[in-house]
Amino acid sequence: AQKVTQAQTEISVVEKEDVTLDCVYETRDTTYYLFWYKQPPSGELVFLIRRNSFDEQNEISGRYSWNFQKSTSSFNFTITASQVVDSAVYFCALSEAFYNQGGKLIFGQGTELSVKP
Amino acid sequence: GAVVSQHPSRVICKSGTSVKIECRSLDFQATTMFWYRQFPKQSLMLMATSNEGSKATYEQGVEKDKFLINHASLTLSTLTVTSAHPEDSSFYICSAERLAGGPWVGELFFGEGSRLTVL
Repeated sequence: AQKVTQAQTEISVVEKEDVTLDCVYETRDTTYYLFWYKQPPSGELVFLIRRNSFDEQNEISGRYSWNFQKSTSSFNFTITASQVVDSAVYFCALSEAFYNQGGKLIFGQGTELSVKP
Repeated sequence: GAVVSQHPSRVICKSGTSVKIECRSLDFQATTMFWYRQFPKQSLMLMATSNEGSKATYEQGVEKDKFLINHASLTLSTLTVTSAHPEDSSFYICSAERLAGGPWVGELFFGEGSRLTVL
């Protein structure tokens, strides 16, 4: 069975601090996709990244970076120099990579990040 | 701009009434759409997979007679919460996959969500 665990329910940091959000997943599939989404108070999901299981390269996008390690089944997300606007709930998600079913996501419990000025 | 649109964004209804939520893909055809439910302070849980021209596939524990899903066209899926009760109050979000052909490499788009409050 597939499962995504985000052990950190809430994180509070002060602006400009770096923060890492953890994500551990379980799957028996050899081909799968991992995602990170941001959910601000308005509720809509903001796409951050998608990574397939064959691509273990770390990725950096501005202040955001992701560390994918298949050996530990983790896909962690780091925000460098956090800002108040980063305050939101962040979800890690997993999907199988079958045709037309790739949109069937299993979400983690979410981590609520609060960045204080 | 949004490529998947949900309507209404907010709805308040009385207990016992039925509510319909629409999910539209605006500039692509989606043979498959997905419906999720999110209770306050909780994660998103997949309710069902909506298949164009055929019956929806429901996840375990989701009542198909309670949550009617219709995917009558390649750009529209609807979720109807029948005889709604306060415990159905939740945030409902749809998603659609824009396929690129071949094995799944499509982009996934989420609607803005619909917040249902049943009094």
